[in-house]
Amino acid sequence: QLQLQESGPGLVKPSETLSLTCAVSGGSISRTTYYWAWIRQPPGKGLEWIGSIYYSGSTYYNPSLRSRITMSVDTSTNQFSLNLSSVTAADTAVYFCARHGRNYQLLPYYFDYWGQGIQVTVSS
Amino acid sequence: EIVMTQSPATLSVSPGERVTLSCRASQSVTDNLAWYQQKPGQAPRLLIYGASARANGIPARFSGSGSGTEFTLTISSLQSEDSAVYYCQQYNKWPPLTFGGGTKVEI
Repeated sequence: QLQLQESGPGLVKPSETLSLTCAVSGGSISRTTYYWAWIRQPPGKGLEWIGSIYYSGSTYYNPSLRSRITMSVDTSTNQFSLNLSSVTAADTAVYFCARHGRNYQLLPYYFDYWGQGIQVTVSS
Repeated sequence: EIVMTQSPATLSVSPGERVTLSCRASQSVTDNLAWYQQKPGQAPRLLIYGASARANGIPARFSGSGSGTEFTLTISSLQSEDSAVYYCQQYNKWPPLTFGGGTKVEI
């Protein structure tokens, strides 16, 4: 059974960089038919896709966050990561990592596995 | 960006009732539409993909329909454990992948 687990600091100061890692177990992050994604949910609000990465390192980012996002993947440790720079209180949210499929045209499918989520608060 | 709009925002229903949730896309997403259920403190769970296909382990009382811009999630006979927020999501065009604002089902 595939499992995803987020880790990282729960508190980040304004203007600093939020860094999270998602550890994947029960399956290889290098499978060619999947993307690996970050999704966030501010308190009491809906879901926002942040970005997705392929095992080769190809990335797709939400245009609204593109200037502040960097995603990376480490196939040797079966992990992928998110860096979000210049954070403000508006970046306070539960951050989920998730898997979604990928077809032969490189188009995405739905999110079928999710991590439990990690609360990140931006505050001085 | 494809905007997903869900209605109603909140639905109060009794056990055993039939429930219909709506999701509208700002442009056609063909059948590249998924539904998720999220309970408090939990990650979303995939219910429906391809607009109408049930994900593994999802009870038959959940069904999805629609194509293009209009979609529906139906719970045929609401159970107490179905109290949750339900989100639709399009994966027809990216970036970005987009979610609806959610419908909260209260029992």
